[in-house]
Amino acid sequence: DQQVKQNSPSLSVQEGRISILNCDYTNSMFDYFLWYKKYPAEGPTFLISISSIKDKNEDGRFTVFLNKSAKHLSLHIVPSQPGDSAVYFCAASGEYGNKLVFGAGTILRVKS
Amino acid sequence: KAGVTQTPRYLIKTRGQQVTLSCSPISGHRSVSWYQQTPGQGLQFLFEYFSETQRNKGNFPGRFSGRQFSNSRSEMNVSTLELGDSALYLCASSLDFRNTIYFGEGSWLTVV
Repeated sequence: DQQVKQNSPSLSVQEGRISILNCDYTNSMFDYFLWYKKYPAEGPTFLISISSIKDKNEDGRFTVFLNKSAKHLSLHIVPSQPGDSAVYFCAASGEYGNKLVFGAGTILRVKS
Repeated sequence: KAGVTQTPRYLIKTRGQQVTLSCSPISGHRSVSWYQQTPGQGLQFLFEYFSETQRNKGNFPGRFSGRQFSNSRSEMNVSTLELGDSALYLCASSLDFRNTIYFGEGSWLTVV
């Protein structure tokens, strides 16, 4: 039972353009969402988070949008840079305590 | 500020043996959680400890156990290792519930 889904296994974007990574969830109890970036053989690096009381959160080049009615969130990276090439994971939490449910990840490739 | 530190980074064990992995959280963080990453199952939650008490547990067999010490450092143990336990084991720490969760670099376990 995949509660968090990242339906695009990979995404290729030109340097300087916008990267949009999508994530869908099924559990309506999820109310805290995080995005992580990961390189092979390394731990995930936190990028940005959003609480369900908001519908948008920005941090530099990264913006996360949350649509609660559609149970959908997206991460926008503007402008995309070659160093952004990595695997991006969406994660959700809803219970008391820090139990994260992760999506399968999306491989982002930014071409120069 | 030091990040989440995990030791050892790499280890090879024989089927049937047991292994103990260690994690030092970011200073001041009282929540420590563990995750397993495999190619087939992705990132899966193992358990979370807060102030030396297990607060959440994932769907793993009892061979997987953990503990947290009074200084918030944590260990996880896997007994009677199976080939399928080969994975990247990640530790994460956080101040508390609904705070950013930071990951360590992980411990690569290979069971032969």
